[in-house]
Amino acid sequence: GENVEQHPSTLSVQEGDSAVIKCTYSDSASNYFPWYKQELGKRPQLIIDIRSNVGEKKDQRIAVTLNKTAKHFSLHITETQPEDSAVYFCAANDRLTFGQGTILTVHP
Amino acid sequence: KAGVTQTPRYLIKTRGQQVTLSCSPISGHRSVSWYQQTPGQGLQFLFEYFSETQRNKGNFPGRFSGRQFSNSRSEMNVSTLELGDSALYLCASTIGGMWNTEAFFGQGTRLTVV
Repeated sequence: GENVEQHPSTLSVQEGDSAVIKCTYSDSASNYFPWYKQELGKRPQLIIDIRSNVGEKKDQRIAVTLNKTAKHFSLHITETQPEDSAVYFCAANDRLTFGQGTILTVHP
Repeated sequence: KAGVTQTPRYLIKTRGQQVTLSCSPISGHRSVSWYQQTPGQGLQFLFEYFSETQRNKGNFPGRFSGRQFSNSRSEMNVSTLELGDSALYLCASTIGGMWNTEAFFGQGTRLTVV
């Protein structure tokens, strides 16, 4: 089955800085890579996703890049704000296997 | 439209007991998956149901089981509870195939085993 590795496990940045979270996957057949954000005490919610036929996708301050050859994809958040503080999970679509999560803290 | 609803929100059980959790998906969604969330372990896939059939199963012992009804509502059962079963149990629903569309999560059931 699929194996998804996510790094770093914790990330602390100052407000306005950029944050990058990286994931690698093992199954070359995976073709859908979503990112979920889980705020404290709340349910995970999709923030952005990418399919294997594109290399990059942007939505305002967030972007995701995909390197199919290297089997890794990354979440980029620019101009971080305190409300970006949450746990972020990447996933690959072999049984929607999730990474271990990254706790992002944005300091005002 | 209503989101994914899980009941109950909180449960406290004693070791050796069994527990049943419920998940009502978004109307029209036919796939329901269950996840166990613990600190440091992320979201661990338990199983997925589609049209009342279990399509996929994760690496959990047979004490963990589930079912899905004709209205797509799903239940998860854990028998002979162990302390290590304490976790947040999340279900997620999608319209059809689970693996290439947005999954909508419920609020979860927080299970504490004492």
